[in-house]
Amino acid sequence: DTEVTQTPKHLVMGMTNKKSLKCEQHMGHRAMYWYKQKAKKPPELMFVYSYEKLSINESVPSRFSPECPNSSLLNLHLHALQPEDSALYLCASSQQGADTEAFFGQGTRLTVV
Amino acid sequence: QKEVEQNSGPLSVPEGAIASLNCTYSDRGSQSFFWYRQYSGKSPELIMSIYSNGDKEDGRFTAQLNKASQYVSLLIRDSQPSDSATYLCAVNMYTGGFKTIFGAGTRLFVKA
Repeated sequence: DTEVTQTPKHLVMGMTNKKSLKCEQHMGHRAMYWYKQKAKKPPELMFVYSYEKLSINESVPSRFSPECPNSSLLNLHLHALQPEDSALYLCASSQQGADTEAFFGQGTRLTVV
Repeated sequence: QKEVEQNSGPLSVPEGAIASLNCTYSDRGSQSFFWYRQYSGKSPELIMSIYSNGDKEDGRFTAQLNKASQYVSLLIRDSQPSDSATYLCAVNMYTGGFKTIFGAGTRLFVKA
């Protein structure tokens, strides 16, 4: 089983809203990731959690706030987003670090209005 | 600047032909290499990983790695229309932490 589950699949939010994206994996993976992907572009790394601790923050604006409640769950809290933040948000997990195979969830298509 | 470069394509091949996708990377110290397939509107799907020089075969897919020349390639034999997708090369690099860096992707069209 190489399943990473993301909810919701689609999200439309206003610029003053607060929302959260959720990601779950039950593969025992110890590294989890958030990526952002714009149309016709490759995924861009946002955050890396390793053993439930934030290990990499790619200078992401503070309106994006990650959280790793336990080894299976990863959240991305969204607040005061801009229309340019509209994108596909992808969660991934890997057994350990970035040198091991990463498996992606199906993504959350976010539209900020 | 640590980079992964791919020809953006589109690469068009007839059904049944071999599709050859290439990727070069800038970090000589990279040790882990991955190919992902991404259909339009979907998330990336892992096809192959390769860690050692040489060829690695999985069904119709063969990954080739040459660390001395800093390139990795993916061959798709007996290409099918269902293989039409964007293929992303991903390389593990150290840049302020170990990260997987994606190339821009090559769009492949397989004509029936």
